[in-house]
Amino acid sequence: DAGITQSPRHKVTETGTPVTLRCHQTENHRYMYWYRQDPGHGLRLIHYSYGVKDTDKGEVSDGYSVSRSKTEDFLLTLESATSSQTSVYFCAVGEGREQYFGPGTRLTVT
Amino acid sequence: AQSVSQHNHHVILSEAASLELGCNYSYGGTVNLFWYVQYPGQHLQLLLKYFSGDPLVKGIKGFEAEFIKSKFSFNLRKPSVQWSDTAEYFCAVFSAVGGNEKLTFGTGTRLTIIP
Repeated sequence: DAGITQSPRHKVTETGTPVTLRCHQTENHRYMYWYRQDPGHGLRLIHYSYGVKDTDKGEVSDGYSVSRSKTEDFLLTLESATSSQTSVYFCAVGEGREQYFGPGTRLTVT
Repeated sequence: AQSVSQHNHHVILSEAASLELGCNYSYGGTVNLFWYVQYPGQHLQLLLKYFSGDPLVKGIKGFEAEFIKSKFSFNLRKPSVQWSDTAEYFCAVFSAVGGNEKLTFGTGTRLTIIP
């Protein structure tokens, strides 16, 4: 499992509120990723990090920001949640070509 | 840009039937291909991977996949499925462009096995 935890595991929030999801790893992987999973779209990359304070955008980054102040933590923030951001969010970690996924966070924006 | 196509959106089979799920990719660099499985309510797990060498790769739980370069395909197979194989299956291609490493996933194939 690569020692990945995500918190919270489930969250319901209202449109316009800020939301932060946390990914924590215990094995010092350099790369960390945030994906969202939606029916008919598979997994799509939101943002990723290749080191502390080093982040870059993925294919669906609008409306999301990230931060990585420590190797083990990668935070995903929705500054002002919208209903289109209702999804399941997966964190992944990797080193080279292989990625290992966390248990996911189910976010509902009402 | 790289892309992955999985044309089977939902496959329904009876136990003991043979399985083949299609995956086609588009990527101009060195090909690294993966199949992931997601059991109901769980996270993605690596099923198998191809980096180089023998184009027929074997994974966990009796799954295998064949890399056919001329067809840009990496189809997943299993000779005899079980009810416990009910899950969603994702094909992915790895790319490293400009030092940035990422996986691009297909849209997934939902597999339902009828006992």
